[in-house]
Amino acid sequence: DGGITQSPKYLFRKEGQNVTLSCEQNLNHDAMYWYRQDPGQGLRLIYYSQIVNDFQKGDIAEGYSVSREKKESFPLTVTSAQKNPTAFYLCASSPRGNNYGYTFGSGTRLTVV
Amino acid sequence: QQQVKQSPQSLIVQKGGISIINCAYENTAFDYFPWYQQFPGKGPALLIAIRPDVSEKKEGRFTISFNKSAKQFSLHIMDSQPGDSATYFCAASMRGGNKLTFGTGTQLKVEL
Repeated sequence: DGGITQSPKYLFRKEGQNVTLSCEQNLNHDAMYWYRQDPGQGLRLIYYSQIVNDFQKGDIAEGYSVSREKKESFPLTVTSAQKNPTAFYLCASSPRGNNYGYTFGSGTRLTVV
Repeated sequence: QQQVKQSPQSLIVQKGGISIINCAYENTAFDYFPWYQQFPGKGPALLIAIRPDVSEKKEGRFTISFNKSAKQFSLHIMDSQPGDSATYFCAASMRGGNKLTFGTGTQLKVEL
């Protein structure tokens, strides 16, 4: 079965620590995305990548970093510079130029204490 | 900033009733308008989508109505069921553009 796998489902970290969220897809999609979801604010784009070794900032990139070394993988690092990191993080992928195939993972809930 | 405005923020409907969620956009270059359904603790899943060359698309109990001149589109859920209780997001993107711009979501509760 093709799909997007996000891990872990729940993640707890102490304030000031960097943490990396995993996103892997086997859909052969070129483009991948990271969104942050907070109650009442919808889905806000953090970073996106349309091809390997290339990525662009979204609307709320400050305090986050990404890499795209493989087509299948797009990990997100939440750094200590992110002021309010507790949120639900969603990874998505799509074929290049075709949003009908836009597919989401099941998310990672990050809690920083 | 490309925006999609969604309303209402929350909605309570009786079983068997019609649920209506509205979205408005500003960018006339948008040409793809999907709706996503999200259950608690899960990622959003594509429900139904429309392109601006048609004014309505129906799939089962779900219908999108599209008004190009008003730059508005809406989701209608007929015969709403408790299993429809979820958060619904509208979205939009430009031709050839991969990014989807999402509305802020509507939390729907269907009561017995």
